[in-house]
Amino acid sequence: DTGVSQDPRHKITKRGQNVTFRCDPISEHNRLYWYRQTLGQGPEFLTYFQNEAQLEKSRLLSDRFSAERPKGSFSTLEIQRTEQGDSAMYLCASSPRDSHGYTFGSGTRLTVV
Amino acid sequence: AQSVTQLDSQVPVFEEAPVELRCNYSSSVSVYLFWYVQYPNQGLQLLLKYLSGSTLVKGINGFEAEFNKSQTSFHLRKPSVHISDTAEYFCAVSNQGAQKLVFGQGTRLTINP
Repeated sequence: DTGVSQDPRHKITKRGQNVTFRCDPISEHNRLYWYRQTLGQGPEFLTYFQNEAQLEKSRLLSDRFSAERPKGSFSTLEIQRTEQGDSAMYLCASSPRDSHGYTFGSGTRLTVV
Repeated sequence: AQSVTQLDSQVPVFEEAPVELRCNYSSSVSVYLFWYVQYPNQGLQLLLKYLSGSTLVKGINGFEAEFNKSQTSFHLRKPSVHISDTAEYFCAVSNQGAQKLVFGQGTRLTINP
């Protein structure tokens, strides 16, 4: 097992464009999380899935953000009509059902120009 | 609502010296506590966690932390640091039974030879 994998590692996009990130969790983990980390700050919770069900969503996740986990395996996070304030590191993590403490991926760094 | 305060944004120490990174939390319910480490351009790695039981928790890389309920603290310590410990360290809290982690703003540990 190679851990939590995120793709792409880096994305530069123009303001107003849509972007999509992918996360592949550890295969036996049924919980998957998305966090956002801006420069000099700790990660902030965005959303969480158990299998394919999205169980919690932060108020940080505006209508321009959507996350899916269609078959309970990989997940995608889409940002529509990107803004400069969306520039951040987007972190994905996964955990087994009865565990506390996640395994994080290396993140996708988004730069909106 | 929960919150985490990491009292020092930067901590410089000399190699082989002891170090303590301070973390205080605020919560109205029982909590789980975590320390994560983040190396440059990487995701977060779990150092240690407190769920219950002994208030002194040992983690990876020689780190340990002590849960103090009366002072709502969870300070991280290492008796002798190495150059390789240079990284950003994040304290995090979750409510027992919840999945979301709330992170502090991080402490940058710099080891000088």
